[in-house]
Amino acid sequence: NAGVTQTPKFQVLKTGQSMTLQCAQDMNHNSMYWYRQDPGMGLRLIYYSASEGTTDKGEVPNGYNVSRLNKREFSLRLESAAPSQTSVYFCAILRGHSYNEQFFGPGTRLTVL
Amino acid sequence: GQQLNQSPQSMFIQEGEDVSMNCTSSSIFNTWLWYKQDPGEGPVLLIALYKAGELTSNGRLTAQFGITRKDSFLNISASIPSDVGIYFCAGQGYTGNQFYFGTGTSLTVIP
Repeated sequence: NAGVTQTPKFQVLKTGQSMTLQCAQDMNHNSMYWYRQDPGMGLRLIYYSASEGTTDKGEVPNGYNVSRLNKREFSLRLESAAPSQTSVYFCAILRGHSYNEQFFGPGTRLTVL
Repeated sequence: GQQLNQSPQSMFIQEGEDVSMNCTSSSIFNTWLWYKQDPGEGPVLLIALYKAGELTSNGRLTAQFGITRKDSFLNISASIPSDVGIYFCAGQGYTGNQFYFGTGTSLTVIP
């Protein structure tokens, strides 16, 4: 998974609970991303971070917050989980030829009851 | 939000057959990427395309960046059972920060 780690791998929450999904990279890349993947929907961007200390909203940011406190880590927080947030969450980094290739972590499978 | 039109949605083929899938967009893209995803795993990058008209191969895989910059196709030759999975296209907009994904092509290879 191109040096991208995600924790936890699986999580079950009750509606209203909060949690933080963690993503870490070991290759000193600037840009990091959070996506969610739902059946038949492909991957949709939640938030991204072009560099340490900066974050921007993607296509589906509602209900999520992110934090990029250092270059290595990019976390995604659900303050009050809802069943609609049941999904598989992927973190990605940007690297490669002219820095326009995305590489993904293994994912976190979240179920909200 | 923008999503790419990827077709076909699913394919069932015999081992040894060739496969072709494509993606189209209403927007021009700077880069096209093709990924494969196995069950329970993250997407894995197969091929990256950077210039209009570019044709790139990776083993039995060949992909092309459309001349109009609004489409791309992926071909798999002589399919084998391990080709089974979901294939995604992705396009990078000219702002450089965001990528847009197709809805995937599910490939089943029958031995």
